[in-house]
Amino acid sequence: SAVISQKPSRDICQRGTSLTIQCQVDSQVTMMFWYRQQPGQSLTLIATANQGSEATYESGFVIDKFPISRPNLTFSTLTVSNMSPEDSSIYLCSAGTGGDYGYTFGSGTRLTVV
Amino acid sequence: KNQVEQSPQSLIILEGKNCTLQCNYTVSPFSNLRWYKQDTGRGPVSLTIMTFSENTKSNGRYTATLDADTKQSSLHITASQLSDSASYICVVITGYSSASKIIFGSGTRLSIRP
Repeated sequence: SAVISQKPSRDICQRGTSLTIQCQVDSQVTMMFWYRQQPGQSLTLIATANQGSEATYESGFVIDKFPISRPNLTFSTLTVSNMSPEDSSIYLCSAGTGGDYGYTFGSGTRLTVV
Repeated sequence: KNQVEQSPQSLIILEGKNCTLQCNYTVSPFSNLRWYKQDTGRGPVSLTIMTFSENTKSNGRYTATLDADTKQSSLHITASQLSDSASYICVVITGYSSASKIIFGSGTRLSIRP
């Protein structure tokens, strides 16, 4: 399975600011995803990061709030824009190649907005 | 509607004891089922991956079962250790390759007491 490096691991941010989270995979992967996990809850898919094209967002998530880049097959970023305390969550990157079912998760970014 | 339900929601057991976590799913088409362990503040780590034809799979003290007819899975932990304290998430993958979707259960929070 791929190994994913995600950073930062945690951050405390002021409301109204933006934070960009990076996800680096040690091998080329077909699919990369971004998730949010609120305290005590399961993971919620934000979007699928598509290489070379715009990300595919799930219902309730929009590009203006969560812009995503994926410039190549090993790297993606998620930006949480104009943050409010409600954005305090763990954000997780996941990657895999569908054929080998290898969905691996990064270690997560714990975001606190004050 | 594709759903994954886990029980119990939380569980406390004494160190050294065994326990079994349950996962029921209504997902179609079924591709594979995974159990993940998630330590607090960290990303999920895969324990087992099971396809339609597999009934049992072990990973050390963790043994997962799958009954594709009743659409049920269980995760049995033997001789629990303090380090087993974590959330255990059942995940079902529906579809194949780029059309696949990942359906998360809400998790079971396991606490091991000395």
